[in-house]
Amino acid sequence: QVQLQESGPGLMKPSGTLSLTCAVSGGSISSSKWWSWVRQPPGKGLEWIGEINQSGSPNYNPSLKSRVTISIDKPKNQFSLKMSSVTAADTAVYYCVRGGPGGGHGADSWGQGTLVTVSS
Amino acid sequence: QPVLTQPPSVSAAPGQKVTISCSGHSSNIGSSYVSWYRQLPGTAPKLLIYQNNQRPSGIPDRFSGSKSGTSATLGITGLQPGDDADYYCGTWDTSLSAGVFGGGTKLTVL
Repeated sequence: QVQLQESGPGLMKPSGTLSLTCAVSGGSISSSKWWSWVRQPPGKGLEWIGEINQSGSPNYNPSLKSRVTISIDKPKNQFSLKMSSVTAADTAVYYCVRGGPGGGHGADSWGQGTLVTVSS
Repeated sequence: QPVLTQPPSVSAAPGQKVTISCSGHSSNIGSSYVSWYRQLPGTAPKLLIYQNNQRPSGIPDRFSGSKSGTSATLGITGLQPGDDADYYCGTWDTSLSAGVFGGGTKLTVL
């Protein structure tokens, strides 16, 4: 069974660039067409950030598109998220996910999530 | 403001049945698959339903999904204390070209 593990800084300063990596284990990243990032601010609901496919083509949440880049590294079996110009509003638990909410198989595997706090 | 609309909370007694609605538009629920997720406190969401009404392996048949037009419904029968959680619907919005989630529904098993 595939497992996902997020890694990245827990604390960031405003205006910085957030970088997170999702390591996929127990299976090949090529086993699924799409891989996504989802975030959840403390006490709030889920927000889809974006996704990337096997060809490296991404889709992004329009509200975040100008600040977000998602990439895939098949040899390393991982995919990554970069978000620039972060503010306190970007404080959230960030999840990496196999699939997505509208995909044929849904978002069927989730990482445990990593809390990113943006504070000066 | 979430694209999909869910009731903030529902409640029912153990053993009873509950339904959670998810309302959208022709550009999302009306034209894409709906999935449902359960999130226990402090944990990652877990897939309950995909393709509107399909259950992944290991999800009991107490959980069911349906879709009609621009709305979807999650049904849970035989409620158990462990079902106390937040539930989210999700789908793809063709106008936004983006994944979208509902705001979430807090289920309380009385």
